[in-house]
Amino acid sequence: DQQVKQNSPSLSVQEGRISILNCDYTNSMFDYFLWYKKYPAEGPTFLISISSIKDKNEDGRFTVFLNKSAKHLSLHIVPSQPGDSAVYFCAASASSNTGKLIFGQGTTLQVKP
Amino acid sequence: KAGVTQTPRYLIKTRGQQVTLSCSPISGHRSVSWYQQTPGQGLQFLFEYFSETQRNKGNFPGRFSGRQFSNSRSEMNVSTLELGDSALYLCASSLLIAGTDTQYFGPGTRLTVL
Repeated sequence: DQQVKQNSPSLSVQEGRISILNCDYTNSMFDYFLWYKKYPAEGPTFLISISSIKDKNEDGRFTVFLNKSAKHLSLHIVPSQPGDSAVYFCAASASSNTGKLIFGQGTTLQVKP
Repeated sequence: KAGVTQTPRYLIKTRGQQVTLSCSPISGHRSVSWYQQTPGQGLQFLFEYFSETQRNKGNFPGRFSGRQFSNSRSEMNVSTLELGDSALYLCASSLLIAGTDTQYFGPGTRLTVL
């Protein structure tokens, strides 16, 4: 049972444009959501997070939106840069399930110069 | 602050052997979680330790075990290795005393089982 889904395996955007990465979840107990960026054979790097009590969180070029009723979150990157090219994972956790992140399958973002 | 460190970075073992991987969390972090990444299954949670106690466990066989020391450093052990255990093993640390918190990952240990 895939509790966190990233339905787009890949995304290609032009440098300077907006990148939108999407994530859906099924477990209503999730109350904290995170986005990580990952390069092959390296550990995930934390980008941004959002608590379920919020619907938006911004950090520089990165904004995460949470729609609890739709059980959907998205990561916006504006403007996109070639250095943003990587695999992006969304992850979810529940207060009742300490220390456990449930990851989506990842979306490979390619930003073309 | 130094990040999460993992040793060794690469390991090659043969079926039936056992292996121990080590993780040093960010200074001050007391929670350490372990994950396995494979092409087929993605990133999957193995277990989490806090104050030397296992608080949470994923759906992995008993061949996978771990422990945490008083300085928060953690080790995981895999016994009787199988070919399917070949994976990138990641550890993550957080302040996490209760509830939810951001986990910061180490670079991983690439285990190859021949």
